[in-house]
Amino acid sequence: SQQGEEDPQALSIQEGENATMNCSYKTSINNLQWYRQNSGRGLVHLILIRSNEREKHSGRLRVTLDTSKKSSSLLITASRAADTASYFCATDAHNAGNMLTFGGGTRLMVKP
Amino acid sequence: ETGVTQTPRHLVMGMTNKKSLKCEQHLGHNAMYWYKQSAKKPLELMFVYNFKEQTENNSVPSRFSPECPNSSHLFLHLHTLQPEDSALYLCASSQDGGQLNTEAFFGQGTRLTVV
Repeated sequence: SQQGEEDPQALSIQEGENATMNCSYKTSINNLQWYRQNSGRGLVHLILIRSNEREKHSGRLRVTLDTSKKSSSLLITASRAADTASYFCATDAHNAGNMLTFGGGTRLMVKP
Repeated sequence: ETGVTQTPRHLVMGMTNKKSLKCEQHLGHNAMYWYKQSAKKPLELMFVYNFKEQTENNSVPSRFSPECPNSSHLFLHLHTLQPEDSALYLCASSQDGGQLNTEAFFGQGTRLTVV
């Protein structure tokens, strides 16, 4: 099974609300990354958090990492319709030759 | 634009056809990757090239054949594919494959349909 698994699989919110997506993984990691994908297009890197970091911010994005629980969350504050996309977490696990392994993603829909 | 360009964007091919997907990056990266994205499945890593050497082949069927002539170009040669191979094929690059704390830059993908 994949290293990272996102939760929920789909999320629908109103513009202006916050969106929280979670990612769980199985083995120890070096870092965890979040990516965004618009429908049928390539992935765009959003943020990287190292295993020794607990929280990181980038604009309206806030990422947390809890290595004891092997989980991460991505919070998008004050969401906009343009945030509608799929969001993926990716890990480079120690047991995977440090190659990026992606989860199944969360499909976020922000209604105007 | 991420600096990674894939062509073609869309491809329809018969099961007996031979076609190739192309990926190009001018970011100075040394690692390039092929991923397959099927509906309702996680992104699957297919191949990894680091400094033009293949370092990962994730149990991919031989009907998919990668080629990396230099650090800037990556091809995926397709031959006698099956309908279940229809998917979005994504190319990515990073500064150095296996290097810690590096992000991957993705192309826009090739939407492949096998009929």
